[in-house]
Amino acid sequence: DSGVTQTPKHLITATGQRVTLRCSPRSGDLSVYWYQQSLDQGLQFLIHYYNGEERAKGNILERFSAQQFPDLHSELNLSSLELGDSALYFCASSVYTDTQYFGPGTRLTVL
Amino acid sequence: QQQVKQSPQSLIVQKGGISIINCAYENTAFDYFPWYQQFPGKGPALLIAIRPDVSEKKEGRFTISFNKSAKQFSLHIMDSQPGDSATYFCAAESMADRGSTLGRLYFGRGTQLTVWP
Repeated sequence: DSGVTQTPKHLITATGQRVTLRCSPRSGDLSVYWYQQSLDQGLQFLIHYYNGEERAKGNILERFSAQQFPDLHSELNLSSLELGDSALYFCASSVYTDTQYFGPGTRLTVL
Repeated sequence: QQQVKQSPQSLIVQKGGISIINCAYENTAFDYFPWYQQFPGKGPALLIAIRPDVSEKKEGRFTISFNKSAKQFSLHIMDSQPGDSATYFCAAESMADRGSTLGRLYFGRGTQLTVWP
């Protein structure tokens, strides 16, 4: 157990809908990262937040957004969902930019 | 463009054998190279990591070999066990970068390792 928690574990929704994925980092970690894992693209970095501020942005679609709250938990919002958004979404946390510990992931299925 | 290239895609090894997975990178700004192990239905878990100031790092049965001039690094699993059957990912990061890629891990495509008993 990495100490990073993610909810929900599974999410099934329809195209065009909006969902929110939640992540709680390890105790003491100020950085939260979001990654997308799919069969065709592999593990792709989406975004990095440090202590509430966005610090790096990767291959994140404009339909996706994230935020980190004062209690350091983070949410990834996915809107106008398409079939191709079906994937595993992982959250990771670290103290700053050192070792990243991954959560168990949220499996998103868009029908 | 894949920043980190990993091979092979899949690997089958007999119990007790040596598993070797290779990765190559182009960006000389990378200064941190972790390996992650992922079991089905689980998140990636850090296995071992190396920085370019050393050529080898060993932790138990797992060894990273690093060749800075060739921009290559590899994972060796000695005495491979059926419990090692998982997907392994190499990754790279520029920890010194304080710009727009801060904290970004670039992953290889993964190697599915199967260890037969």
